[in-house]
Amino acid sequence: DTEVTQTPKHLVMGMTNKKSLKCEQHMGHRAMYWYKQKAKKPPELMFVYSYEKLSINESVPSRFSPECPNSSLLNLHLHALQPEDSALYLCASSQDGTGLRGNTIYFGEGSWLTVV
Amino acid sequence: DQQVKQNSPSLSVQEGRISILNCDYTNSMFDYFLWYKKYPAEGPTFLISISSIKDKNEDGRFTVFLNKSAKHLSLHIVPSQPGDSAVYFCAASGSGNTPLVFGKGTRLSVIA
Repeated sequence: DTEVTQTPKHLVMGMTNKKSLKCEQHMGHRAMYWYKQKAKKPPELMFVYSYEKLSINESVPSRFSPECPNSSLLNLHLHALQPEDSALYLCASSQDGTGLRGNTIYFGEGSWLTVV
Repeated sequence: DQQVKQNSPSLSVQEGRISILNCDYTNSMFDYFLWYKKYPAEGPTFLISISSIKDKNEDGRFTVFLNKSAKHLSLHIVPSQPGDSAVYFCAASGSGNTPLVFGKGTRLSVIA
């Protein structure tokens, strides 16, 4: 079973709203990721959590705030977003949290975010 | 600077024929390579991977070939089926704690 579950599948929010994207995996993976994907582009890494600690933040604006409540859950809190933040937000996980080399990353189906 | 390149944005193949998707990389520290398939409105699905100690890995209709000296890998799908129509991303990792680096993708259309 290589399932990463994301909710909601679709989200429309105003620029002053606060919302959250949620992600869950029960594969015992110790690394979890947030990626952003725009149309016709590859996934862009935003954050990596390794053993529930933030290990990589790819210079993402502070209006995106990740949270890892436990080893199975990953949230992305959204506040004061801009229309250009509209994209597919992908959660992913991989087995080994100590090093990302040689790890297969498994993606969820994504959350489509539209900022109006 | 693009470390993983997929130079063909699109490819059309007839059903039953072989599809060959190509990927080049520049970073000699990459040692693990993956292919993902992506349908519209879905997340990428892992297809097949290869580590640098091998030059070929096969899984059913999918075979990945790695030529380290040329820094080139390819994904062969045979026979191609209409359901294979999707965007295929090549990805690579290596050099310590660096996460996956993705290519820009190749859109494969398999025509019945």
